[in-house]
Amino acid sequence: EVQLVESGGVVVQPGGSLRLSCAASGFTFDDYAMHWVRQPPGKGLEWVSLISWDGDSTYYADSVKGRFTISRDNSKNSLYLQMNSLRPEDTALYYCAKDSCSGGSCYWYFDLWGRGTLVTVSS
Amino acid sequence: EKVMTQSPATLSVSPGERATLSCRASQSVRTDLAWYQQKPGQAPRLLMYDASTRATGIPGRFSGSGSGTEFTLTISSLQSEDFAVYYCQQYNDWPPWTFGQGTKVEIK
Repeated sequence: EVQLVESGGVVVQPGGSLRLSCAASGFTFDDYAMHWVRQPPGKGLEWVSLISWDGDSTYYADSVKGRFTISRDNSKNSLYLQMNSLRPEDTALYYCAKDSCSGGSCYWYFDLWGRGTLVTVSS
Repeated sequence: EKVMTQSPATLSVSPGERATLSCRASQSVRTDLAWYQQKPGQAPRLLMYDASTRATGIPGRFSGSGSGTEFTLTISSLQSEDFAVYYCQQYNDWPPWTFGQGTKVEIK
């Protein structure tokens, strides 16, 4: 079955750190760039970060730049998001999403989403 | 950054009626636009890409149109399963990949 499954979301204090994981199955993981997208409770979608198929290129939203690090392990079909210096405004459901473009440096829309993992930043 | 603006915020429609959702880009995104559907408690699902191409498994009552800065998603005859929130997203210029704020389609 083609799917993405996120994990690692918990309640963390402001200033704390957290690592999210996303396990991919049912497709050739290392053919595709991967994204993290978040959704605060009751609000809309915000793109957070992208990593290229080979991990050589990464991009971040300004709101998380310098605090979050995206990475991947193609041997484990896994995507990660290291989150440091967490703030209350980082509270959200975090989705991993597969980019639709195969290989190369093309980055388009998101054609497969996980169900998300909830991160709550609160004292 | 290309800002995406959707209207209306909420659309009240009766089952069987047509729904028309709008998405406007602050600058041209050509046809590099996708639409997603999100039901309560679920992840977003890709509906449309390249402004007017239906994703795999999406029924024909969904159609997309537009180019440049003005886009429309039309649901020709609303079914009960279509009541949801719809987001547009541009992939013409990145980073960032940007979404509209969403349109909620509710039962009238």
